[in-house]
Amino acid sequence: GAVVSQHPSWVICKSGTSVKIECRSLDFQATTMFWYRQFPKQSLMLMATSNEGSKATYEQGVEKDKFLINHASLTLSTLTVTSAHPEDSSFYICSASDGSSYNEQFFGPGTRLTVL
Amino acid sequence: GQNIDQPTEMTATEGAIVQINCTYQTSGFNGLFWYQQHAGEAPTFLSYNVLDGLEEKGRFSSFLSRSKGYSYLLLKELQMKDSASYLCAAMDSNYQLIWGAGTKLIIKP
Repeated sequence: GAVVSQHPSWVICKSGTSVKIECRSLDFQATTMFWYRQFPKQSLMLMATSNEGSKATYEQGVEKDKFLINHASLTLSTLTVTSAHPEDSSFYICSASDGSSYNEQFFGPGTRLTVL
Repeated sequence: GQNIDQPTEMTATEGAIVQINCTYQTSGFNGLFWYQQHAGEAPTFLSYNVLDGLEEKGRFSSFLSRSKGYSYLLLKELQMKDSASYLCAAMDSNYQLIWGAGTKLIIKP
């Protein structure tokens, strides 16, 4: 149980284009979803937290107009990187929590974004 | 401020035991997590401690001392596949995870 999927696994795009990443909880309802970014040899950096049906809460320094997050249902959240640039190239990981027990976060497999 | 400290890198021998330490400072505390992350992959959950003491799970054990703001992950009978980064994360009063930078564990034959 507690499986989270991400799509796509990897994507290569041209500078200036937009990329959408989907995060789905497959066998549970995710009341909260988290989006992280991880640069090589660094730890996870939380970008934003989203609760179903409400606006995402962005961490300091994360541009909400550039990283659009939608959490329209209890099983799906999307992250759209708008007007991507090479410095946005990174490993993007989502996680989901069902709010039970100790709020454990279940991680998706990640999406490797390369912007040319 | 909130902070997690853990060693950057450790090396151990196959079949041996290794202890990875983590100290934390958070606004409130709702538990301490350990995750394993292989290169290019997402983290996978290893353990959760919210009360003081040792939690054993197979070859892996995790210890917590809330008064000292300290935890460790103990790995026994090391295998080559244990080569990975080990992330310590503390959950604060807002149930937000504060992540350490990770400890890269290198296992040598």
